[in-house]
Amino acid sequence: EAQVTQNPRYLITVTGKKLTVTCSQNMNHEYMSWYRQDPGLGLRQIYYSMNVEVTDKGDVPEGYKVSRKEKRNFPLILESPSPNQTSLYFCASSLSNKNTEAFFGQGTRLTVV
Amino acid sequence: KQEVTQIPAALSVPEGENLVLNCSFTDSAIYNLQWFRQDPGKGLTSLLLIQSSQREQTSGRLNASLDKSSGRSTLYIAASQPGDSATYLCAVRPGGGSNYKLTFGKGTLLTVNP
Repeated sequence: EAQVTQNPRYLITVTGKKLTVTCSQNMNHEYMSWYRQDPGLGLRQIYYSMNVEVTDKGDVPEGYKVSRKEKRNFPLILESPSPNQTSLYFCASSLSNKNTEAFFGQGTRLTVV
Repeated sequence: KQEVTQIPAALSVPEGENLVLNCSFTDSAIYNLQWFRQDPGKGLTSLLLIQSSQREQTSGRLNASLDKSSGRSTLYIAASQPGDSATYLCAVRPGGGSNYKLTFGKGTLLTVNP
């Protein structure tokens, strides 16, 4: 089954403790992205990747890092989480950046206390 | 800058009613528009994808239309059921240099009452 898999689904952590949210897709997609969803603000892109070792900032990249060492994986790293990063995070992938469908993971609910 | 608006923000209807959700966007230079469904605590499920060259797409009881020149899309749900209750999001993929991201509306929360 074609899917985007995120882990963990739920995470509560403390300020400053480094964490990684994993994302994996099994569709051989080139493009992958991370979004965060906040009440009243909707979904905003954090980072995206066009292919292995090629990444770039989205609209709200501050406080986040990403890497793309393999085509299927695109982890999101919070090196020093802060309470304002409490949010619902989604990973997405698509075959191209043009006329193709975007697939989303099930989301990761992160709470930073 | 592309902006996407969804009206209404919330909608409550009795079971069996046909309904229309609206999505408007400010820049008509798009590659495609995608409708998603989001259940509480769950991810985004893709419902329909309309390419910029298309006028509509259908899947079961769902029909989505696109009028690119006027910057509007509608999602028509026929014979609504309680299981259709969810938040519906539309997203556009901009043409040109911003096409690495989707721009989302804030969604319409649909409640179908038995």
